[in-house]
Amino acid sequence: AQSVTQLDSHVSVSEGTPVLLRCNYSSSYSPSLFWYVQHPNKGLQLLLKYTSAATLVKGINGFEAEFKKSETSFHLTKPSAHMSDAAEYFCVVTVYSSASKIIFGSGTRLSIRP
Amino acid sequence: DVKVTQSSRYLVKRTGEKVFLECVQDMDHENMFWYRQDPGLGLRLIYFSYDVKMKEKGDIPEGYSVSREKKERFSLILESASTNQTSMYLCASRGGTGGFETQYFGPGTRLLVL
Repeated sequence: AQSVTQLDSHVSVSEGTPVLLRCNYSSSYSPSLFWYVQHPNKGLQLLLKYTSAATLVKGINGFEAEFKKSETSFHLTKPSAHMSDAAEYFCVVTVYSSASKIIFGSGTRLSIRP
Repeated sequence: DVKVTQSSRYLVKRTGEKVFLECVQDMDHENMFWYRQDPGLGLRLIYFSYDVKMKEKGDIPEGYSVSREKKERFSLILESASTNQTSMYLCASRGGTGGFETQYFGPGTRLLVL
């Protein structure tokens, strides 16, 4: 069985400081892992994805994530937060090709303090 | 760019009404999805479709049905709306069959059932 856990429901950081959003997954097979961002009253947009190539994945807007198999983690980071990063972030794991095997985390709301 | 559009951003309906939510994608994707999003629960899959006239139930299909008569259009139907169906509804599409494929989301429809 596969699952995904976002360890923090809410993270608050000051503008200009680093961002860390944590995601742990469970999968019996090699997963594909995604981070999506959702700004208020908008749909989800892909930030980055891991698909068994490089373990350090760079995404849009300065975000990156590192796939760590030994820790079953795929944490999202950014060196310096910007006010525009305030949004909800979802970690997603997929296995096989079946659409029903797309599992969303419960989301982390990121707040940025001026 | 892939575009996924949803027919309404906001809807207010009364209990017992039949409700149609429409979703259109312009990238010839085989797969289309309907999710509902509720605070603290992340995204939950209602139905998905992997081809015209083909559908599979997701995690929470009760009270919903779907229709896919054309490849670009996927409709979600609430046969008799109830207050517990008040939610944000998100449509997504995805090409190919690999688990590594990206989902593209519409802007969402916020439904209020009175």
